[in-house]
Amino acid sequence: NAGVMQNPRHLVRRRGQEARLRCSPMKGHSHVYWYRQLPEEGLKFMVYLQKENIIDESGMPKERFSAEFPKEGPSILRIQQVVRGDSAAYFCASSPRRATTYEQYFGPGTRLTVT
Amino acid sequence: AQSVSQHNHHVILSEAASLELGCNYSYGGTVNLFWYVQYPGQHLQLLLKYFSGDPLVKGIKGFEAEFIKSKFSFNLRKPSVQWSDTAEYFCAVRMDSSYKLIFGSGTRLLVRP
Repeated sequence: NAGVMQNPRHLVRRRGQEARLRCSPMKGHSHVYWYRQLPEEGLKFMVYLQKENIIDESGMPKERFSAEFPKEGPSILRIQQVVRGDSAAYFCASSPRRATTYEQYFGPGTRLTVT
Repeated sequence: AQSVSQHNHHVILSEAASLELGCNYSYGGTVNLFWYVQYPGQHLQLLLKYFSGDPLVKGIKGFEAEFIKSKFSFNLRKPSVQWSDTAEYFCAVRMDSSYKLIFGSGTRLLVRP
């Protein structure tokens, strides 16, 4: 019974490169949430997606960040032209339905380091 | 702005000591409350949750938490910790019918054998 999978677990990028973070939700889950944890801070909501739809991206930085959840395949969080301030742990969570009454199941996170 | 506070950032205890981690939130409406744990190198796991009913909630691994609405608090407790409880603990709140979780900054617990 696989949980939420994220890869890579660790990613190192130089300033200006692109970072792609992948999230495969739990089997049967069609709702995905991305959170970011900056050093010494709690997780902060970034974006909520259903298959082929972005429902809420109010927590996403306006530039360089994008997310998708295609009909087939994992959800992707893409960061273009990374800067040192993007260094953080990025967590993905999933739920079977809109998580107003369901709990969210979290993946192990991807730790992004920008050098 | 709505926020969640965990006042203890680092806690060090000896095995068999009692644990209480504080969590306070700032919101006057309906809330769902969660405690998550992250063991080293692992994913966030749900310890316990409160949606409604009995404000004293029992979770896995001997943890419990009490929702005190008048104090806007949801403190986590365990009467006797073990070395294997060494982890980071996050309090999270979901407000009204939102799907977003608002997290505290976490508490790192180190239990000495």
